[in-house]
Amino acid sequence: DGGITQSPKYLFRKEGQNVTLSCEQNLNHDAMYWYRQDPGQGLRLIYYSQIVNDFQKGDIAEGYSVSREKKESFPLTVTSAQKNPTAFYLCASSILAGGNDQPQHFGDGTRLSIL
Amino acid sequence: AQSVAQPEDQVNVAEGNPLTVKCTYSVSGNPYLFWYVQYPNRGLQFLLKYITGDNLVKGSYGFEAEFNKSQTSFHLKKPSALVSDSALYFCAVRDTQGSGNTGKLIFGQGTTLQVKP
Repeated sequence: DGGITQSPKYLFRKEGQNVTLSCEQNLNHDAMYWYRQDPGQGLRLIYYSQIVNDFQKGDIAEGYSVSREKKESFPLTVTSAQKNPTAFYLCASSILAGGNDQPQHFGDGTRLSIL
Repeated sequence: AQSVAQPEDQVNVAEGNPLTVKCTYSVSGNPYLFWYVQYPNRGLQFLLKYITGDNLVKGSYGFEAEFNKSQTSFHLKKPSALVSDSALYFCAVRDTQGSGNTGKLIFGQGTTLQVKP
């Protein structure tokens, strides 16, 4: 089945450590997105990418980095500069061709906690 | 600025009763509106969208939504609620600011729906 796979489901980070969250899609979607979800705050956009080898900052990019070397993959690194990384991270993808009517499709998330 | 508001943090309804989850939006130009549902520790699942045409949009799991341009609202409805409908619901609008189609969405804060037996 086509879909978006996020791994791992749970991740623990030590102080001063960088960690990378994986996001892979086999939907042949053009665009990919990373969101952070905190209780009571909805979804906040971290980074997004419309095409391979290009990406843009979202609303809360500080302390995070991404790469888009392949269409299928959009890993997110949470760096030690992110002082409050404990959250639920969601990856999404969407088709861009054809206009504004295409929904985003989501993976099942990675829950990151600080040790 | 474009925005989405879900004025209720939580909606409580008895099983079998109709439910409504409210959403209002603010955009420049035509709105492209979406509803998603999220179960605990899962990603968001797409329910339905409004692009143009009929103001009543039907979606997955018996849900529907009513678009009202004059009130800038897009309320989610279901005629008869199930306990299994209990979840977190998000309304979203396409971000059309800037050039090109980025596919970006602006999400509301979410509304928790609690359906009691």
